[in-house]
Amino acid sequence: EADIYQTPRYLVIGTGKKITLECSQTMGHDKMYWYQQDPGMELHLIHYSYGVNSTEKGDLSSESTVSRIRTEHFPLTLESARPSHTSQYLCASQPPGTGVNTEAFFGQGTRLTVV
Amino acid sequence: AQSVAQPEDQVNVAEGNPLTVKCTYSVSGNPYLFWYVQYPNRGLQFLLKYITGDNLVKGSYGFEAEFNKSQTSFHLKKPSALVSDSALYFCAVRGSGSARQLTFGSGTQLTVLP
Repeated sequence: EADIYQTPRYLVIGTGKKITLECSQTMGHDKMYWYQQDPGMELHLIHYSYGVNSTEKGDLSSESTVSRIRTEHFPLTLESARPSHTSQYLCASQPPGTGVNTEAFFGQGTRLTVV
Repeated sequence: AQSVAQPEDQVNVAEGNPLTVKCTYSVSGNPYLFWYVQYPNRGLQFLLKYITGDNLVKGSYGFEAEFNKSQTSFHLKKPSALVSDSALYFCAVRGSGSARQLTFGSGTQLTVLP
């Protein structure tokens, strides 16, 4: 079992609220990723980071933002949640190096429901 | 741009029978290919990967995958399916070029019938 943790596992929140999804890893990985996944559907990369103070947007446009102030922590924030943000959010990390031949490790996911 | 296709949304197989989950890919340069499994309400778990070398790669839980460069395929296989193999399977690719992110296929729901 990989040491990457996401909290909360489940979250139901009202429209307009600000939320932060937490992701932490204790493996010293420099690369971290956020994916959005609708139930039983493909994963879409929404944010990634290759190190502290480095963040980039992924393939799927998202209204969320991320920060990477510490190596082990990669939180995702929605300033004003909407029902369209309802989805599962998966965090992943990858060890240092070129990265092309190393697998990513995934957290258990946060299932977000905005009502 | 790199891409992955999993042509089957759903695969059903009887317990004890061999299973195949199909995956084809498109990348620039050498492909690095991965299979992940996702059980309900869980994150993705790594199964196996192809980097270089033998075209037949063996992974966790008795799964294996065959890399075919001419057909740009990386099908997941298991000789004898178990009911507990029922899950969502994702194929992923990363090219050797500048795009270092993993690109995932749309997933295939495998159901093993008792």
